[in-house]
Amino acid sequence: DIQLTQSPSFLSASVGDRVTITCRASQGISSYLVWYQQKPGKAPKLLIYAASTLQSGVPSRFSGSGSGTEFTLTISSLQPEDFATYYCQQLNSYPLTFGGGTKVEIK
Amino acid sequence: QVQLVESGGGVVQPGRSLRLSCAVSGFTFSGYTMYWVRQAPGKGLGWVAGISYEGSNKYYAESVEGRFAISRDNSKNMLYLQMNSLRVEDTAVYYCARVEVGYSSRGMDVWGQGTTVTVSS
Repeated sequence: DIQLTQSPSFLSASVGDRVTITCRASQGISSYLVWYQQKPGKAPKLLIYAASTLQSGVPSRFSGSGSGTEFTLTISSLQPEDFATYYCQQLNSYPLTFGGGTKVEIK
Repeated sequence: QVQLVESGGGVVQPGRSLRLSCAVSGFTFSGYTMYWVRQAPGKGLGWVAGISYEGSNKYYAESVEGRFAISRDNSKNMLYLQMNSLRVEDTAVYYCARVEVGYSSRGMDVWGQGTTVTVSS
């Protein structure tokens, strides 16, 4: 099984900050990596697919990069509505797996 | 509009069964691989099961293999999850989600609102 390790698991930041979240895969997954945002009591929302492609309707302050085993999600200027939990997921092979999540809170 | 609506959750005793349903609308159901994903209280997301567009290929997480069964009825635009021999650790919100056939790198782009399953004596 492919393990995804997200870091950090918790992040405290201020509005306007640049935030970077890392997701490391235990083996190569090419670009079969996506990022979701989840707010309390809500379903996850797709932000980035194929490691670096912005999902339609997602603000351009979100960006993704990486391939193989190391990936990053960057929020260029954190906005109040961005405080949430972020998950990476690999769709390279079964079983599909998620990272443990990164909770972004207001400093 | 594109919509996934789960139902069938509830409170059930350990060892009993429950069947979840996911009604889809607004898109060509047979053009998508479908999944169940769950989230235990206060925990992260966990993939549960997946089924190919025509239903011939099914995939399960090790934790549910042999107890859960995923199925679909493309004529009714319905996805199902039959859950048997339920355990306390199966307590979670269960989501259905879609991935377009041939475009797995695009991820799960539409999710339902979730249905809650509580396994407790």
